[in-house]
Amino acid sequence: QVQLQESGPGLVKPSETLSLTCNVSGGSIRDFYYTWIRQTAGKGLEWIGRFRTSGTTYYNPSLKSRVTMSEDVSKNQFFLRLNSVTAADSAIYYCVRDSASGWPLFEHWGQGILVTVSS
Amino acid sequence: EIVMTQSPATLSVSPGERATFSCRASQSVSTNLAWYQQKPGQAPRLLIYGASSRATGVPARFSGSGSGTEFTLSISNLQSEDFAVYYCQQYKDWPPATFGPGTKVDLK
Repeated sequence: QVQLQESGPGLVKPSETLSLTCNVSGGSIRDFYYTWIRQTAGKGLEWIGRFRTSGTTYYNPSLKSRVTMSEDVSKNQFFLRLNSVTAADSAIYYCVRDSASGWPLFEHWGQGILVTVSS
Repeated sequence: EIVMTQSPATLSVSPGERATFSCRASQSVSTNLAWYQQKPGQAPRLLIYGASSRATGVPARFSGSGSGTEFTLSISNLQSEDFAVYYCQQYKDWPPATFGPGTKVDLK
């Protein structure tokens, strides 16, 4: 059974870079699309982007100038970097494995990590 | 970007009753529509995809319908574990995939 676990700092200063790691167990990250989603009380669920190893990476146009997704296949991990953060980037961040269909359907979720942007 | 709306924001239901709530897309998404359930402190769970197909392990009391811009999720014989927030999501036109604001099903 696949499991995903987010990790990273829970507090980031304004204007700095938010960096998160998703550790995947129970399956290789080579075989599926993976997605980052965040959730706030104000904006609800927001799709950040998705990627597949050796494939195209897709970003939300609203975040594209600030976000980078990457992976380390050898460690079965993938990463999120969000630059120049503000308080509006405070959210619960989820890493997700998409369904095998290839569509952006979010089948397996991590537990989420709360990130607060504050000085 | 396709904007998703949901109604009502909150639905109060008694156990054993049927709950029905709606999702609307700002333009046609065909049947590229999914529903998720989220309980407090948990990540969302995929319930329905393709507007009407249940995901693995989802009880038959959950049913989805609709196409184009209008969709419905129904829960028959509501159980205590069904009290949660339900989100719709379109995956017809992406990026970005977009979610509705949610309908909270609570105890009447």
